[in-house]
Amino acid sequence: AQKVTQAQTEISVVEKEDVTLDCVYETRDTTYYLFWYKQPPSGELVFLIRRNSFDEQNEISGRYSWNFQKSTSSFNFTITASQVVDSAVYFCALSEALTGNQFYFGTGTSLTVIP
Amino acid sequence: NAGVTQTPKFQVLKTGQSMTLQCAQDMNHEYMSWYRQDPGMGLRLIHYSVGAGITDQGEVPNGYNVSRSTTEDFPLRLLSAAPSQTSVYFCASSYATGSNQPQHFGDGTRLSIL
Repeated sequence: AQKVTQAQTEISVVEKEDVTLDCVYETRDTTYYLFWYKQPPSGELVFLIRRNSFDEQNEISGRYSWNFQKSTSSFNFTITASQVVDSAVYFCALSEALTGNQFYFGTGTSLTVIP
Repeated sequence: NAGVTQTPKFQVLKTGQSMTLQCAQDMNHEYMSWYRQDPGMGLRLIHYSVGAGITDQGEVPNGYNVSRSTTEDFPLRLLSAAPSQTSVYFCASSYATGSNQPQHFGDGTRLSIL
């Protein structure tokens, strides 16, 4: 079973629109960590944010915000007023404190921002 | 501060050839891993290591070997290349798993098997 599910394979939005990328995870650990990575067309993987399971506060960084809800096992990522430079593949990932030696990645969401 | 360095960046092989993808990190990270990225499949874990001398298999280990003789280096060997191994390969490292430390990725190796 997939531990991290990103159901949206591809999303296209027009510049300045808001867009939310969904991430649903599955774990039995009570302590775990969630991450988002960005992969622009140039191909490198860029770390964006991490969250631990004890901190459900939403986080905002400029146009980016993250909504962590343990009740629905979701860690969604919203880009406000999208820009062409936001076009990339975005990956959600999970690391479990007690049971795992692995990072689990979702299959990614490809975001295209149309000018 | 180089981070994670992968070499080569591009490689073309013929079916049956062997080769080694190099990965080195200078952050004294204990955990290192190799992923392959294929269209629509995301990042799939090939092998990982939690420290020097310790390696383990990930989701797609067949056809690949790894070793970890030092903390810094984690090479990935293709024993007998097959067209199904055409992919982009990423090496990553982190302070540890089971922690809030993110993985740092190399720039990737684009490998084509003819």
